[in-house]
Amino acid sequence: DTEVTQTPKHLVMGMTNKKSLKCEQHMGHRAMYWYKQKAKKPPELMFVYSYEKLSINESVPSRFSPECPNSSLLNLHLHALQPEDSALYLCASSQTESPGFGNEQFFGPGTRLTVL
Amino acid sequence: DQQVKQNSPSLSVQEGRISILNCDYTNSMFDYFLWYKKYPAEGPTFLISISSIKDKNEDGRFTVFLNKSAKHLSLHIVPSQPGDSAVYFCASSGGSQGNLIFGKGTKLSVKP
Repeated sequence: DTEVTQTPKHLVMGMTNKKSLKCEQHMGHRAMYWYKQKAKKPPELMFVYSYEKLSINESVPSRFSPECPNSSLLNLHLHALQPEDSALYLCASSQTESPGFGNEQFFGPGTRLTVL
Repeated sequence: DQQVKQNSPSLSVQEGRISILNCDYTNSMFDYFLWYKKYPAEGPTFLISISSIKDKNEDGRFTVFLNKSAKHLSLHIVPSQPGDSAVYFCASSGGSQGNLIFGKGTKLSVKP
């Protein structure tokens, strides 16, 4: 199984809503990532979890709250988002956080988020 | 300031010919490079990578070349097929952490 799954595929939410994005992998990877991608832009790293601990937070606003309940799951909790947060949110995983041959990041299909 | 640059936003190639996608980087400490392919409404798919200790890596129709002195890498696809039409991202994974730094991408169109 070389798949990273993400749910939901699409999400529309108001600025006062609370929602969560989910990501799952069963490759035994110990590093998991959240990226944000705006239209016609490259993916931008938000968070990195390594062995279920938050390793990197790229100065992301607190209205985005990541959670790693176990080594296979990664959540992104959303609260009081702004319309400019509308984007494709991508989850990825890799064997470990260390870059290098054989430790490539595998991406899920993403969640298309629209904030009204 | 962009650390990974893909200066061609688009490239159009005839089926069966070679596609060459280019990427430049600014940080000489970067030592591992990857190419990802992305279809609309899908996540990026890993294609091929290269470490700075090599100058070439091949996988089927895909070859990546690395010129460290010029801080330049390129992806060659030969022969190009219509199914190769997608956005191609160059990325670098430098330092001790897994932060991938992506270029802006090049949209490849392979015409039948």
